[in-house]
Amino acid sequence: ETGVTQSPTHLIKTRGQQVTLRCSSQSGHNTVSWYQQALGQGPQFIFQYYREEENGRGNFPPRFSGLQFPNYSSELNVNALELDDSALYLCASSRGAAGQLETQYFGPGTRLLVL
Amino acid sequence: QQQVKQSPQSLIVQKGGISIINCAYENTAFDYFPWYQQFPGKGPALLIAIRPDVSEKKEGRFTISFNKSAKQFSLHIMDSQPGDSATYFCAASDYSSASKIIFGSGTRLSIRP
Repeated sequence: ETGVTQSPTHLIKTRGQQVTLRCSSQSGHNTVSWYQQALGQGPQFIFQYYREEENGRGNFPPRFSGLQFPNYSSELNVNALELDDSALYLCASSRGAAGQLETQYFGPGTRLLVL
Repeated sequence: QQQVKQSPQSLIVQKGGISIINCAYENTAFDYFPWYQQFPGKGPALLIAIRPDVSEKKEGRFTISFNKSAKQFSLHIMDSQPGDSATYFCAASDYSSASKIIFGSGTRLSIRP
């Protein structure tokens, strides 16, 4: 086990709704990254937070937003859900400072289905 | 634009055989090339990684071969076992992108007993 937990494990929403996904990192891990993994595809980088500040973003629209808290927990928020947002959402934490390459430890993911 | 291309999409290997998965990248700024293993219902887990200053790295039955001039790298799994059946992702990253990892599309590996 990686020590990274995510909740909920599964979630069903309807188009247009908003969703909040949660992640709890390992103690001491100051960096958290979020990824979207569509069925049969590799994970795609959404954004990364380092010490509560966004530190890099992939090609995702602003309706994808995040928060990181001092207690090593973080959130991914998605507004105005679309059908294509259906995917497995993964968070990954690492110990390093921003810009440093450190091993990222992935959680088991939250599977989101948008109807 | 797919920055990391992975093949094959699926692979079936007999127990004891060698599994080979290939990847190619485009961005010459990439300087870290990890491989991840993912089992159903789990997140990806780092298997082995290589930097471009070496051409090969071996850890147990897993070996990465790296060809910087061709911008290609591959994973070899020796003496493949049924427990190796999983989806494997190659990936790439660079320091300037805040450790953003670019994943390949994955290879579903099945090891037949």
